[in-house]
Amino acid sequence: NAGVTQTPKFQVLKTGQSMTLQCAQDMNHEYMSWYRQDPGMGLRLIHYSVGAGITDQGEVPNGYNVSRSTTEDFPLRLLSAAPSQTSVYFCASSHGLGYTFGSGTRLTVV
Amino acid sequence: AQSVAQPEDQVNVAEGNPLTVKCTYSVSGNPYLFWYVQYPNRGLQFLLKYITGDNLVKGSYGFEAEFNKSQTSFHLKKPSALVSDSALYFCAVRADQTGANNLFFGTGTRLTVIP
Repeated sequence: NAGVTQTPKFQVLKTGQSMTLQCAQDMNHEYMSWYRQDPGMGLRLIHYSVGAGITDQGEVPNGYNVSRSTTEDFPLRLLSAAPSQTSVYFCASSHGLGYTFGSGTRLTVV
Repeated sequence: AQSVAQPEDQVNVAEGNPLTVKCTYSVSGNPYLFWYVQYPNRGLQFLLKYITGDNLVKGSYGFEAEFNKSQTSFHLKKPSALVSDSALYFCAVRADQTGANNLFFGTGTRLTVIP
C-alpha cells in the first residue's frame, strides 16, 4: 500500500546511545518532514526536506541530524540520545496540499 | 511566522449534542488550514482542509469547519457528537507562499464525548 513507513514502532535507548529512525515513502513526494509530539506541546517540526540533497531545520532541530540521499528515504539520526528526546516521532510527506503521515515511532530514552 | 492556537486543552460534550473545537491562527499572507484527528496510540488522520472559496468546509465523519478571516479562526464543528468521536484533535496552518510547505500545529484539544 502506498504511504509513509516508519521503523521501528517502539525503541528504548540509554542516554548517550545513537540511533536512526527510518522513514520511507513510495509516492514520489518531494517534500518530507519530521515532527515530534509531546503532551501539551502538539507536533513540532524538527527537520524538513524539499527534495533529494536538500534539508533544512525546523523549530526544534537541536540533537537531531537528517539527510536526504534519495526521494524515498528521510532518516532522522540521534547522535547522543538524551531523556529530553523521549517523544513520539512522526514522519510526513506531501505533494501540494496533501500530507501523509507515518504511524509514528515511540522513543524512550532512559 | 506562522502559529496556531487551540485555547482549550479539553472539551467535554454529551453524546448527541453539537460540538465545537476552537482554533485561531496567525500567518503571513493567506492561510491553508487543516484539521487532523488522533486516536490513542495511532497516527494522524486527515479530517478536512480549507484552501480557498466557500468558508464552510465539509470533511470526513460528519465534521465541518468554518473559516473566518476577520477573526482568524477555523473552528471544527459537528452537529451531533458520537462517543467514537472521542480523540485528540489538531489544527494546523500553512502559508500559501511558494516553497512554504511546512505545517504548523496547535497544541491539540482532547475531545471527550460522554454517553
